[in-house]
Order: sequence, then C-alpha cells, then structure tokens
Amino acid sequence: GENVEQHPSTLSVQEGDSAVIKCTYSDSASNYFPWYKQELGKRPQLIIDIRSNVGEKKDQRIAVTLNKTAKHFSLHITETQPEDSAVYFCAASYSGGGADGLTFGKGTHLIIQP
Amino acid sequence: DAGVIQSPRHEVTEMGQEVTLRCKPISGHDYLFWYRQTMMRGLELLIYFNNNVPIDDSGMPEDRFSAKMPNASFSTLKIQPSEPRDSAVYFCASSLIAAGTEAFFGQGTRLTVV
Repeated sequence: GENVEQHPSTLSVQEGDSAVIKCTYSDSASNYFPWYKQELGKRPQLIIDIRSNVGEKKDQRIAVTLNKTAKHFSLHITETQPEDSAVYFCAASYSGGGADGLTFGKGTHLIIQP
Repeated sequence: DAGVIQSPRHEVTEMGQEVTLRCKPISGHDYLFWYRQTMMRGLELLIYFNNNVPIDDSGMPEDRFSAKMPNASFSTLKIQPSEPRDSAVYFCASSLIAAGTEAFFGQGTRLTVV
C-alpha cells in the first residue's frame, strides 16, 4: 500500500516569511495529491490539490509542486499570516479504478510567530 | 447540505463498555470513510464504504472494532469492548469518488476511555 512521509513535524516561521512543507510517497501509481489544513479542535479541510499531469498549482498565497520522478511534493505558503497557524496534512492516492482512498502524512504543525 | 454530521461530539466511557459512533454523509456521496486521529499515529484510515458496501477494512485495528452502513445516509463505528488505548478523535468523511476529489470531513467524535 501507499506510504506517505511528511517533514518537518513542526515548523515555526516569522509572520510574513514563507513556509515549505515536504512530502514523499511510495506508490508510483498515485496520481492525486491533496493538502488539508486542520485548525485546533476543527476538522481537516482541503486547501489545495494537484494531479500528476501538472507540476505546479497556485492559489493566492499557497502553491503546491510535484516531482513525479522523485515521488515528492511540497506545499509553499508565502507571506504567512497568523491565521495560517494550523496542522497541515499531505495525502496521496490513486484516482483510477480500484482507488483506495487517501493515505495521509503525519502532519506538520505550522506556527506563525508575530 | 449541512455537510458530514457526526454524533456524539464527545464521548467518555469506562473501559469495557460498548461505544457507538454515528455518521451521516453528504447526500449523493458514494464513498464514506472512517478515520482515527491520534498524536502518535496521525490520521489512520480504518475502513471505507462504496455504495454502502465495505470495500477495505484492513485498517480496523482489532476485532473489537466493527462498522456498518445500513443505508446511504447512515453509518456506525462500534467498539466493543472499549479500551483506554482507543481514546482518539474519530472522523467520518465522504466523497463523490474514492479518490481524486475532495473528501469532506465531519466535526469528529472525541472518544475518551477511562
């Protein structure tokens, strides 16, 4: 089955700086890579996703990059703000027939220092 | 739609008691997932259903755990007997397809077994 590794487990950055979270996956068949944000005491919610037919996707201050050859993908948050403080989870899955659902990384606790 | 609805939000029970967690998926979603979240293990997929049929229960930790989906709008996760190490937040999520699209999470049930 799929295995997703996520680093770092905790990331502290100054407000206004950029944050980068990295994930690797093991199953070369995986073709869908979402990122979820979970605020304290809340449910995980999708913030951005990328499919294997593109290398980068942006949405305002967040972007995700994918390197299928190396089997890794990253989340980039620019101009960080206090409301970006949360736990971020990467995930990977195969979206074709016989898909098994999402395998999540263990999460990164992002702390934005004022 | 009100989103994925879970009940109860919090459950405190004594070791050895039976616990039943409930979930109502988003109408029209064919897939329902049960996840368990702990600090040590992150988000673990326990079981998922497609059109009310259990597809993969390999994540269910022990025979003490069971899940049912009697109809498209209701699922239960049962633990009998419960143990302190079952303490965690249990999330239910639903999606249109197994993977490749957003999984919508419920608010979760925080289970404490004393």
